[in-house]
Amino acid sequence: GESVGLHLPTLSVQEGDNSIINCAYSNSASDYFIWYKQESGKGPQFIIDIRSNMDKRQGQRVTVLLNKTVKHLSLQIAATQPGDSAVYFCAENLIYPNTGNQFYFGTGTSLTVIP
Amino acid sequence: DSGVTQTPKHLITATGQRVTLRCSPRSGDLSVYWYQQSLDQGLQFLIHYYNGEERAKGNILERFSAQQFPDLHSELNLSSLELGDSALYFCASSVGLADYNEQFFGPGTRLTVL
Repeated sequence: GESVGLHLPTLSVQEGDNSIINCAYSNSASDYFIWYKQESGKGPQFIIDIRSNMDKRQGQRVTVLLNKTVKHLSLQIAATQPGDSAVYFCAENLIYPNTGNQFYFGTGTSLTVIP
Repeated sequence: DSGVTQTPKHLITATGQRVTLRCSPRSGDLSVYWYQQSLDQGLQFLIHYYNGEERAKGNILERFSAQQFPDLHSELNLSSLELGDSALYFCASSVGLADYNEQFFGPGTRLTVL
């Protein structure tokens, strides 16, 4: 299977600081990437996505950067708030002729925001 | 609340048994995805249905099967259960078929196999 790895399993930041969560992916054919947030006891929640033909995409307080040269994805959260405390997953999408759209997830980074 | 419902919330059963997990997608969504989340394997894509038809198959074991009904709800059947099948099972729905259609996840079903 494909490998989507996260560099840091845990991250603690002070409230108000910026957070950066990193993700490495292994397949250069991956076309689409998604960041999810998962709070305790809940299902994953879409945060932001990016296509492989882009290198940056911004949302509300979040930015995703894609570096295809080194197969690296990052999620930046500006002015981190206590409500941002959660596990963050990156996901990678590939399309295979026989098995269709496949989604591969990283192991997750646990973000803790210190008030 | 994502609008996706899953039942039951918790399920405890024994090895060798068979269970059915149910998912109701958001109103208007035609796609349903099933995922397994375990401590050792993380989140894994199992299968995708669109408007009643299987569209993609991921890491789904042969002991597992799924279907999507005409009313668009979906069921995931797990048979000959093993201890290692203990996990959270999520379904997600999206409006269309495309990979870029945002997926909305349900609250999950926690399966414990004893």
